Amino acid sequence: DAKTTQPPSMDCAEGRAANLPCNHSTISGNEYVYWYRQIHSQGPQYIIHGLKNNETNEMASLIITEDRKSSTLILPHATLRDTAVYYCIVRVAESGGSNYKLTFGKGTLLTVNP
Amino acid sequence: DGGITQSPKYLFRKEGQNVTLSCEQNLNHDAMYWYRQDPGQGLRLIYYSQIVNDFQKGDIAEGYSVSREKKESFPLTVTSAQKNPTAFYLCASSIRRLTEAFFGQGTRLTVV
Repeated sequence: DAKTTQPPSMDCAEGRAANLPCNHSTISGNEYVYWYRQIHSQGPQYIIHGLKNNETNEMASLIITEDRKSSTLILPHATLRDTAVYYCIVRVAESGGSNYKLTFGKGTLLTVNP
Repeated sequence: DGGITQSPKYLFRKEGQNVTLSCEQNLNHDAMYWYRQDPGQGLRLIYYSQIVNDFQKGDIAEGYSVSREKKESFPLTVTSAQKNPTAFYLCASSIRRLTEAFFGQGTRLTVV
């Protein structure tokens, strides 16, 4: 799986958009970008994933650059409950071999301030 | 409700004892995973299983063992050979061909 680079921490004001960057310069053509988050002492929660087009769901938006070497997770109106560690992961989506592995780095600690 | 359940939430053991952590899912997922998390660190993969009666070592399998006798169950045994067993253990599952993984709420193991 391609390696990802994320800032260790970020702050955001409540009600503002939180933009979390991720660099994945060695991503392969068949690798997707996934985002998870982990609230303190809980299991990680899936947020969103994408291949090359921008994606949006009820939780967030995912913006992937045209060259796919970086992406940004956007929480449009951050709340205090969005304070968590956010993980960016890249991996292939098809089954077989080691493709079942999910490899998590240290992620970005997002702190939403009142 | 469908989901993945880990038990117990907190577990204490004496050094030198083996301990088994439970993970059960009723999502009909083929793949299951065990991760370890230490304070301030990311998740590290211990073992994973793609199908019943088959499993592969992850990045830190030494001192751990697993079994996958049933599709819905993937217990993890922390053996006395694991030098630093105190950690937060997370179990996850995912559908074959899809990679949205569902995580349990974790078991915090403390060895004294």
